[in-house]
Amino acid sequence: DTAVSQTPKYLVTQMGNDKSIKCEQNLGHDTMYWYKQDSKKFLKIMFSYNNKELIINETVPNRFSPKSPDKAHLNLHINSLELGDSAVYFCASSHGTSGYNEQFFGPGTRLTVL
Amino acid sequence: AQSVTQLGSHVSVSEGALVLLRCNYSSSVPPYLFWYVQYPNQGLQLLLKYTSAATLVKGINGFEAEFKKSETSFHLTKPSAHMSDAAEYFCAVSFSGGYNKLIFGAGTRLAVHP
Repeated sequence: DTAVSQTPKYLVTQMGNDKSIKCEQNLGHDTMYWYKQDSKKFLKIMFSYNNKELIINETVPNRFSPKSPDKAHLNLHINSLELGDSAVYFCASSHGTSGYNEQFFGPGTRLTVL
Repeated sequence: AQSVTQLGSHVSVSEGALVLLRCNYSSSVPPYLFWYVQYPNQGLQLLLKYTSAATLVKGINGFEAEFKKSETSFHLTKPSAHMSDAAEYFCAVSFSGGYNKLIFGAGTRLAVHP
């Protein structure tokens, strides 16, 4: 009965490749997020979708493109991977966009770019 | 602009001792404040949150935090540490009108020794 799931859990790839990370939530939430956690454990929001519409788009390179096919899914596609993209990427979801709503996090995808 | 400062990147306590993890925030609007815990190789789990109701907030696993507006603080405490409390702890802030965007502190790693 996983709430927020991500695939794959680990991703090792070469510089210049294109890769995707998938996220699914079964909580019935309408808002989903992508966060990046760097090697120093610092967490920063990248994107957020509400009802399949992009509502947060932080200063992220154009090589990163999120896609939300429906409210339960939010995928992250990364083009032309660079060494600096190595990080753990977390998907999260919440009910609504009010600032007090709890976000539920997935287990993370550890991306290593060689 | 909103920001969060966590004093002490590493805190070490003895089992049974008081746990105190410090969090100070900066916000130009009334904040919502959260504490999340991250166990090794896992996603984040909500411990507790402040949403402008009671200033003393009780969370899971015996943790609590007190919102002090005059000190712009939201420190996390637990009267008696357990070995299983060893983890990374993140304080985060959000606010109304921010689309539930979470701004995280740098994290505090809690070590508990026998």
